[in-house]
Amino acid sequence: QVQLVESGGGLVKPGVSLRLSCAASGFTFGDYYMSWIRQAPGKGLEWVSYISDSGSTMYYAESVKGRFTISRDNAKNSLYLQLNSLRAEDTAMYFCAGSPDLLGAIDYWGQGTLVTVSS
Amino acid sequence: DIQMTQSPSSLSASVGDRVTITCRASQGISNFLAWYQQKPGKVPKLLIYAASTLQSGVPSRFSGSGYGTDFTLTISSLQPEDVATYYCQKYNSAPFTFGPGTKVDIK
Repeated sequence: QVQLVESGGGLVKPGVSLRLSCAASGFTFGDYYMSWIRQAPGKGLEWVSYISDSGSTMYYAESVKGRFTISRDNAKNSLYLQLNSLRAEDTAMYFCAGSPDLLGAIDYWGQGTLVTVSS
Repeated sequence: DIQMTQSPSSLSASVGDRVTITCRASQGISNFLAWYQQKPGKVPKLLIYAASTLQSGVPSRFSGSGYGTDFTLTISSLQPEDVATYYCQKYNSAPFTFGPGTKVDIK
């Protein structure tokens, strides 16, 4: 069955860096367009970043542009998000998510990994 | 960037009621609109894509409509298991913005 398993979250201080990982299984990862989506405690969903199937195209939300970097390794069936210069407002559950289409709805979601930024 | 709004922000209805949620885009997005359901403590689930296409396995009481800037999600007969927050999302181009959500509960 399809699985997306995130890891790498934790409690960190403002200004530090963190790298999130997402391990995919049960589907052809290299055919999927992947995103990171976050949800602050008690708040709505916020799209963060997107990467194309080949990894050649990336997009970012304005709120993270210049601080976060998305990447993928199709040979390892893995998606990554490098989070730099973390701020308190980055505190959220981070979901790894996938779509089969270049411009498509998200049909695969991971369970999420929690990032807490606090001094 | 295109902004997404939803109304109402919350609603309370009785079992069996017809429930309608509206999503509006600040500019036209054709039919590149999805609806997700997120139950408390759970991961979001895709209900509808391309504005009106029901995702496999989703009960037929859910339906979607709309094109351009105005979209609706309808639950034809609300069930207790439909208690959740519902989000729309545009995916015609980045940023792939979500609406703020509509919380649905049972009266």
